[in-house]
Amino acid sequence: DSGVTQTPKHLITATGQRVTLRCSPRSGDLSVYWYQQSLDQGLQFLIQYYNGEERAKGNILERFSAQQFPDLHSELNLSSLELGDSALYFCASSVEAGKETQYFGPGTRLLVL
Amino acid sequence: GDSVTQMEGPVTLSEEAFLTINCTYTATGYPSLFWYVQYPGEGLQLLLKATKADDKGSNKGFEATYRKETTSFHLEKGSVQVSDSAVYFCALKDGGTSYGKLTFGQGTILTVHP
Repeated sequence: DSGVTQTPKHLITATGQRVTLRCSPRSGDLSVYWYQQSLDQGLQFLIQYYNGEERAKGNILERFSAQQFPDLHSELNLSSLELGDSALYFCASSVEAGKETQYFGPGTRLLVL
Repeated sequence: GDSVTQMEGPVTLSEEAFLTINCTYTATGYPSLFWYVQYPGEGLQLLLKATKADDKGSNKGFEATYRKETTSFHLEKGSVQVSDSAVYFCALKDGGTSYGKLTFGQGTILTVHP
């Protein structure tokens, strides 16, 4: 158990819908990262937050957004969902935003029908 | 940009066989290098890491050495077990910025038979 929690574990929805994925980092970790794992794209970095502020952006679509709240939990919002958004979404956390090890949550498996 | 290339899989071995999974990288500056493992139905777990050239990371019988001259970080284990069956990911973190994003290889599926 990494100490990073993600909810829900599974999510099934329809195209065009909007969903919210939630992540709670390890106690004491200030930085949260979101990654997408799909069969065709592999594991890709989406976005990073540090202590409530956006720190870095990767291959995140404009239909996706995220935020980190004062209690340091983070939410990833996915809207206007398409079939291709079906993937495993991981959250990871680290103490700071530099070379520290990232610890991954168990992931949320999203299926868009 | 940064990139990581892993050997093509899947890899199938018998128990107690020697394992090598090749990983090479392209990065600016001096990245940190990682191996993560993903067991079926689970998230990624850090297996080992190395933060500078010639460092050797090791854990649970697995080893990898950071080779700057060949830009490689190959994963090895002398005697694999059935419980090592999983997907292994090589990853790097750019040392040139304060940002922490990980760049992953495509993953190598390892299956170990009794």
